[in-house]
Parts: sequence; C-alpha cells; structure tokens
Amino acid sequence: GQQLNQSPQSMFIQEGEDVSMNCTSSSIFNTWLWYKQDPGEGPVLLIALYKAGELTSNGRLTAQFGITRKDSFLNISASIPSDVGIYFCAGLEGKLIFGQGTELSVKP
Amino acid sequence: DTAVSQTPKYLVTQMGNDKSIKCEQNLGHDTMYWYKQDSKKFLKIMFSYNNKELIINETVPNRFSPKSPDKAHLNLHINSLELGDSAVYFCASSPGHPVAIQYFGAGTRLSVL
Repeated sequence: GQQLNQSPQSMFIQEGEDVSMNCTSSSIFNTWLWYKQDPGEGPVLLIALYKAGELTSNGRLTAQFGITRKDSFLNISASIPSDVGIYFCAGLEGKLIFGQGTELSVKP
Repeated sequence: DTAVSQTPKYLVTQMGNDKSIKCEQNLGHDTMYWYKQDSKKFLKIMFSYNNKELIINETVPNRFSPKSPDKAHLNLHINSLELGDSAVYFCASSPGHPVAIQYFGAGTRLSVL
C-alpha cells in the first residue's frame, strides 16, 4: 500500500528557533494535510493543501504542496513551548494515509 | 461541547475478554472513522461509515466489529482481546467522503493484560 516517509522522526530545539519537516510519498496525492497531536489528545488539523505548488500559512506555520505532488513541507517559525507535540503529514487518496510523525520538543 | 467524544478514555482488560468503545459526534457529519495508533504513534485507518453504511474496511481481524446505530454514533466492539490489540483507538468524523478535514476524538487507550 501507499506509504508516507516523514522526517525527521524527532527534533529537539530551543525556543525561538525555526523548524522544518517534510513528507515524501512514492505515489501522487491530490490533497496533503498537516495535523498536530498533543499528548493525550487526538490529532488536530493545522493546514490543508489542495493544489500542487500551493503555499499556505496558519499563523507561524507555513506548509507547501510539492510541485510533483509527491511531497509536502511544514515550517514553524519562532517556536514556542506550546509547539511541543507530534506533527503528522497525511495524504488523501480515498482515505487518509499518515506519515510516521515528527516529535517536536522545545526547550524554553 | 466536545465535537467528537469517545468513551471510555482508558480501558484495561484481560486477554480473551470482549469490550466496546463508544463514539459520538455532534457536528452533523455524515462520515465517521476508527483509527488505531500503535506504540510507535503510527496512525492507521480501520473502518469508515458513511450514513451508517460501511465504506472502508481495512485488513482488520474480524474480532473487530464496528456498529453504527445512526450517523452520529460509531461504536467499536472487540471480541477475544489479544495482547497485540493494546493501542490508542481514535474515532473521527468528517462532513462527507472522501473529505480531507477529519475531526478526531481524544482517543481511548486500550491495555490488554
């Protein structure tokens, strides 16, 4: 089946730093999504991308839909402690297929 | 008001038992889902129902049986629980199928001893 490779698996950064993570697929998706999961909670949608090349922002978060439709990127600028959590990419192809997640730790 | 609510939040049980997890959404959505998140945090869809009709049934042991009494509820019944069933189970809903924006519940952490 389809698989998404998300990297890095984990990141330890200092408050105020910028963060980048990405997701690649062996096949094309027409919709890419980024979710965040806080400890003990379910994933919450951050950004949805519907068009190749699309760049969308949500506050300090910016995500891009890769031009090949096989990848997507998420950037977080000026990280703060509440950014801690697991970030998942997901591609939609009849169902949501999730990446393995990037666990972000932010040191104050 | 919680949009997608699951009960119980925690479930600890012995191998071989039968247990159910309940899910309710008050968003008026037509489609509901069950996901399993394993110990490595990998999220995988198990089932999806659209207007009480099963539309996605992944390769899940038939010990798992979803039931949708109405479009606001999707329950998950698990027979003869095994150690490998230990995981966090998430219910989700969306306005239609396939729709990107899915709203997740807080999860049910199942521990099989």
